[in-house]
Amino acid sequence: AQSVAQPEDQVNVAEGNPLTVKCTYSVSGNPYLFWYVQYPNRGLQFLLKYITGDNLVKGSYGFEAEFNKSQTSFHLKKPSALVSDSALYFCAVRDIQTDKLIFGTGTRLQVFP
Amino acid sequence: EAGVTQFPSHSVIEKGQTVTLRCDPISGHDNLYWYRRVMGKEIKFLLHFVKESKQDESGMPNNRFLAERTGGTYSTLKVQPAELEDSGVYFCASSQERVKGSPLHFGNGTRLTVT
Repeated sequence: AQSVAQPEDQVNVAEGNPLTVKCTYSVSGNPYLFWYVQYPNRGLQFLLKYITGDNLVKGSYGFEAEFNKSQTSFHLKKPSALVSDSALYFCAVRDIQTDKLIFGTGTRLQVFP
Repeated sequence: EAGVTQFPSHSVIEKGQTVTLRCDPISGHDNLYWYRRVMGKEIKFLLHFVKESKQDESGMPNNRFLAERTGGTYSTLKVQPAELEDSGVYFCASSQERVKGSPLHFGNGTRLTVT
């Protein structure tokens, strides 16, 4: 069965510092991986995806994610965090057989000024 | 273009009552999905419409949940009668094509509290 794990419930980082939000996955076959962000009182917004090609994918708001097949990871990164990046981040994998999105439990990112 | 809209944004009801959630997808999107997040847990799939047809309803918790999409436009999700464990945030999403790489567009969600 396909699954996604986000091992950290919360990540704290100072503004201006680099940030990493971790995600590992378990799939059969090639993974279709996504990151979504949920700002307070808002819906889920698509950030970026990996389907094929370069392992480093760039997305919205300066975020990027690195696909690592050997470690089955798809960590979300940003070189310099902003206070406005504080939100709930969800990693997801698309189940190729059923076409459903399978989400992780989410990681709350808190960026301190 | 207008995004996916959901109504109401919040609903507080008592156990045993009925609640109906509504979702208006992006115009022209044939695919409509319902997901739910129970507090602190992962977002879970409930069901998938293609136009007015239920493509996959394997995630629906039980027969107290009924989803419809009349005419292939907006969708409703009714919970009757509501139980305490139904509390959570219900998200609706839509997409234009069933292409595996295409992201889903989500609404702001409906926060349901059953007391």
